[in-house]
Amino acid sequence: GAGVSQSPRYKVAKRGQDVALRCDPISGHVSLFWYQQALGQGPEFLTYFQNEAQLDKSGLPSDRFFAERPEGSVSTLKIQRTQQEDSAVYLCASSLDVWGVEQYFGPGTRLTVT
Amino acid sequence: GIQVEQSPPDLILQEGANSTLRCNFSDSVNNLQWFHQNPWGQLINLFYIPSGTKQNGRLSATTVATERYSLLYISSSQTTDSGVYFCAVEASGSRLTFGEGTQLTVNP
Repeated sequence: GAGVSQSPRYKVAKRGQDVALRCDPISGHVSLFWYQQALGQGPEFLTYFQNEAQLDKSGLPSDRFFAERPEGSVSTLKIQRTQQEDSAVYLCASSLDVWGVEQYFGPGTRLTVT
Repeated sequence: GIQVEQSPPDLILQEGANSTLRCNFSDSVNNLQWFHQNPWGQLINLFYIPSGTKQNGRLSATTVATERYSLLYISSSQTTDSGVYFCAVEASGSRLTFGEGTQLTVNP
């Protein structure tokens, strides 16, 4: 595809459920990022991959959050035992080079935890 | 970590008006990007501009890295320009740090 795609676009989860959010980066892009955007705020960094290597996960808010990119392409962000404070838009971005210069964003997944 | 401040937080214009959005950052940066987040939430790349000046149609941007600010100019605004404009910088480790955004409303 031409851009970054994410699925599902919307997810409603009951508190305590596990969710998995998928990101398909632009073909050939080496770097992949996950961000979390709360209502009315700018996106905040969660984690960063260079190919399949997770180089920075310092932004993950708790050990309930886990991300992987096993083959260096598609990535999955998993949230275990969801809490209401996890409700947000989760954005994925990719960049052609290893330094993450000029990132391109997907449409996001809006997660609502009830 | 690096701080990014955008001003004004809100801006209301009549169609056809010009505007300037400002982004100040607290430390030297490697990269700077401007985005437009449309009403459906999609972040659209406007400029990658760590320094210098670029123009794309009715939009232009200038970054003065030594003085730690960037400006986004919108000329002859249209209703489709409405949305939130974000400045984002990368200081270390490839991650982008975003400002709080400028909410732009262009009325017909």
